[in-house]
Amino acid sequence: AQSVAQPEDQVNVAEGNPLTVKCTYSVSGNPYLFWYVQYPNRGLQFLLKYITGDNLVKGSYGFEAEFNKSQTSFHLKKPSALVSDSALYFCAVSLYSSASKIIFGSGTRLSIRP
Amino acid sequence: ETGVTQTPRHLVMGMTNKKSLKCEQHLGHNAMYWYKQSAKKPLELMFVYSLEERVENNSVPSRFSPECPNSSHLFLHLHTLQPEDSALYLCASSQEADVPNADTQYFGPGTRLTVL
Repeated sequence: AQSVAQPEDQVNVAEGNPLTVKCTYSVSGNPYLFWYVQYPNRGLQFLLKYITGDNLVKGSYGFEAEFNKSQTSFHLKKPSALVSDSALYFCAVSLYSSASKIIFGSGTRLSIRP
Repeated sequence: ETGVTQTPRHLVMGMTNKKSLKCEQHLGHNAMYWYKQSAKKPLELMFVYSLEERVENNSVPSRFSPECPNSSHLFLHLHTLQPEDSALYLCASSQEADVPNADTQYFGPGTRLTVL
């Protein structure tokens, strides 16, 4: 069975500092990995995905994520945080490239202080 | 967010009421989804419709009844709910449910449901 874990409920970062939101996964084959963001009173928005190829994936709003097969991780990163990045971030994993097979994590709340 | 809309945005209902949530997508997609979002829990996939046929039903109680009359509209009919059903219900759509690289989902803003 596939699963995804986001070990931190909340991450606090000062504006301008680098940020990392952690995600680890468990699947029995090659994973498809995703990050989504949810701003207050909004639905989830797609940020980026890893399917195959380069381990460093670049996405929207300056975010990137690094796929690490040996550590089964897909951490979300940004070199310089903005206050507007404050939101709820969801990691998701799928064994198939199919939206109906995606499993989401419990979310990490990112808070950027001015 | 005009791609996927949901109404109502907020709903308060008693345990004996019957209500419906509505979702509409304007993206020309063929797959639609209902998710339940509860605080500090993983997003739970409830139902998946592809080309208006239900393809996934993840052991959801029968007090939740989905309906997909066409590829643009999705309903979630609610009856005799329990207080633990209080949550944010999100609708999403994608181009297809099982086509490679068509896995990006577009979400609506959700309906905040409170069951008294």
